Amino acid sequence: QQPVQSPQAVILREGEDAVINCSSSKALYSVHWYRQKHGEAPVFLMILLKGGEQKGHEKISASFNEKKQQSSLYLTASQLSYSGTYFCGTEYSGAGSYQLTFGKGTKLSVIP
Amino acid sequence: NAGVTQTPKFRILKIGQSMTLQCTQDMNHNYMYWYRQDPGMGLKLIYYSVGAGITDKGEVPNGYNVSRSTTEDFPLRLELAAPSQTSVYFCASSYGAGLAGQETQYFGPGTRLLVL
Repeated sequence: QQPVQSPQAVILREGEDAVINCSSSKALYSVHWYRQKHGEAPVFLMILLKGGEQKGHEKISASFNEKKQQSSLYLTASQLSYSGTYFCGTEYSGAGSYQLTFGKGTKLSVIP
Repeated sequence: NAGVTQTPKFRILKIGQSMTLQCTQDMNHNYMYWYRQDPGMGLKLIYYSVGAGITDKGEVPNGYNVSRSTTEDFPLRLELAAPSQTSVYFCASSYGAGLAGQETQYFGPGTRLLVL
């Protein structure tokens, strides 16, 4: 089952913050976040394993709420280079098949 | 390291033709994956492999075949191309799965396929 991402699209001015959510109806083992720029391959940002940990990567961080089966990606003080489509990929508990199921993506546009 | 390489970058096929999309990785990764991405959509897993000689179906395997004779190569075969197979195809690899820090998937640059 495909995870649900929200919002579908967001426009920010440089320096503003954004939150992207990824929700699942099934128990999650891990959530992977990727960013894809137009015409390019997805690039890995971070992985979160179940346990509710929070990770950071420069000014981009993420959390994993096991109770809600939801992960949130936080982008602070956005830069033009943050523009792109953000995908979450979910790995389900007990699946044992090492498969990632990706959401449809959130298109982020950062304008000057 | 070149990482994950894919050939060709772009191809136009006629309905009913067949072709092989090539994927090679030089990171000695055990796991390899094929995804397709339709416009405005996320990635859908076609096939994956957990090691040489071992492959398994993903979410959308119909119309495709794969093989994994070596650790480095994971070709995707399209038989009897159909317009519904028009998409961008990404190959990816990872060292392992289920082990923190080893699950990162590295993607190739993609192959754009148009079936007319």
